[in-house]
Amino acid sequence: DTEVTQTPKHLVMGMTNKKSLKCEQHMGHRAMYWYKQKAKKPPELMFVYSYEKLSINESVPSRFSPECPNSSLLNLHLHALQPEDSALYLCASSSPPADRAEYNEQFFGPGTRLTVL
Amino acid sequence: QKEVEQNSGPLSVPEGAIASLNCTYSDRGSQSFFWYRQYSGKSPELIMFIYSNGDKEDGRFTAQLNKASQYVSLLIRDSQPSDSATYLCAVNDNQAGTALIFGKGTTLSVSS
Repeated sequence: DTEVTQTPKHLVMGMTNKKSLKCEQHMGHRAMYWYKQKAKKPPELMFVYSYEKLSINESVPSRFSPECPNSSLLNLHLHALQPEDSALYLCASSSPPADRAEYNEQFFGPGTRLTVL
Repeated sequence: QKEVEQNSGPLSVPEGAIASLNCTYSDRGSQSFFWYRQYSGKSPELIMFIYSNGDKEDGRFTAQLNKASQYVSLLIRDSQPSDSATYLCAVNDNQAGTALIFGKGTTLSVSS
């Protein structure tokens, strides 16, 4: 079962709101990722968690705050976003060992479509 | 800066034809190569991965890798209208260990 789930599917929020995106996988994967995708652009990496520790932060603004409560869950906390942050937010996971390049098949969830008003 | 290049298309082929999608990458240290299919408004779906030079076949899909030329391709045989989508080439960023670098994608249109 190569399923990654994400909630909510759609989210509309104002610039002063605080919201969270959730991602879950039960494949035993030990690396999880957040990507941001704008229309007609490829996904852009935001964060990587490897064995529940933040291993990559691609200079993402502090209004985005990731959290990995356990090996199956990944959250992205949102606060004081800007309209230009509207995008499809994708979660992905990959199989262990996360530090071995040749095993890095990443599986994506369905995404959360975020609109910031 | 590590880059992955793809022709943006659109690539138009008739139903039943072979569609050929190409990708080049700049980092010689790259080890893993992936093809994702993305329908409009949906998330990327992994359809092929290849790690060694040569060809890898899975159903109607064949991935080809030539590390000396830093070139990877995807062939889709007997193309169907349902294959119409954007195809993203992704390469492992060897230095980062796990991050993928994506090309901009090629839009494929299969006409019936």
